[in-house]
Amino acid sequence: DQQVKQNSPSLSVQEGRISILNCDYTNSMFDYFLWYKKYPAEGPTFLISISSIKDKNEDGRFTVFLNKSAKHLSLHIVPSQPGDSAVYFCAASWGTSGSRLTFGEGTQLTVNP
Amino acid sequence: DTGVSQNPRHKITKRGQNVTFRCDPISEHNRLYWYRQTLGQGPEFLTYFQNEAQLEKSRLLSDRFSAERPKGSFSTLEIQRTEQGDSAMYLCASSHIQVTDTQYFGPGTRLTVL
Repeated sequence: DQQVKQNSPSLSVQEGRISILNCDYTNSMFDYFLWYKKYPAEGPTFLISISSIKDKNEDGRFTVFLNKSAKHLSLHIVPSQPGDSAVYFCAASWGTSGSRLTFGEGTQLTVNP
Repeated sequence: DTGVSQNPRHKITKRGQNVTFRCDPISEHNRLYWYRQTLGQGPEFLTYFQNEAQLEKSRLLSDRFSAERPKGSFSTLEIQRTEQGDSAMYLCASSHIQVTDTQYFGPGTRLTVL
């Protein structure tokens, strides 16, 4: 039962262009969503989060959009840089779950110079 | 401000041996989580503590696994009688629930069971 799903295992974009990473979820109880970036042999690094009471949150080059009716969220990176190349995970939690995170499978982003 | 630290970073063991990992959370974080990640998958929740109390355990956490957080600071995760299927990256995360719901992860411990 995959409650959080990232359907694209990989994404390749040119430096300077926009990267859009997508994530779908099935559990309507989720009320907090996060994106993490992971380099090989390191732990996930927190990027940005959004509460279910919002539909957009922005932090520098990173913007997360939440569409609750579609149970879909996306991460936009503008402009993309080669250093952004990593695996990106979306994760979700809900209040009564003790904030345990449910992760998607990840999307490998490659930004080409 | 030091982040979450985990030791050891790598552990190679033979099947049937016991192993123990340590996690030191960010100072004053009252919640501590353990996750396991296998190749090509996202991290999967194992268990979490609020202060010294273990509040939830996943079905993934078999009887061979035990976690402690004796004084509400660092935590240990022990695996007894290791099996090859235990080979994975074991990740620790911490958060301060009164401040933010965001979990911050350590670098992980890579376990290889031969």
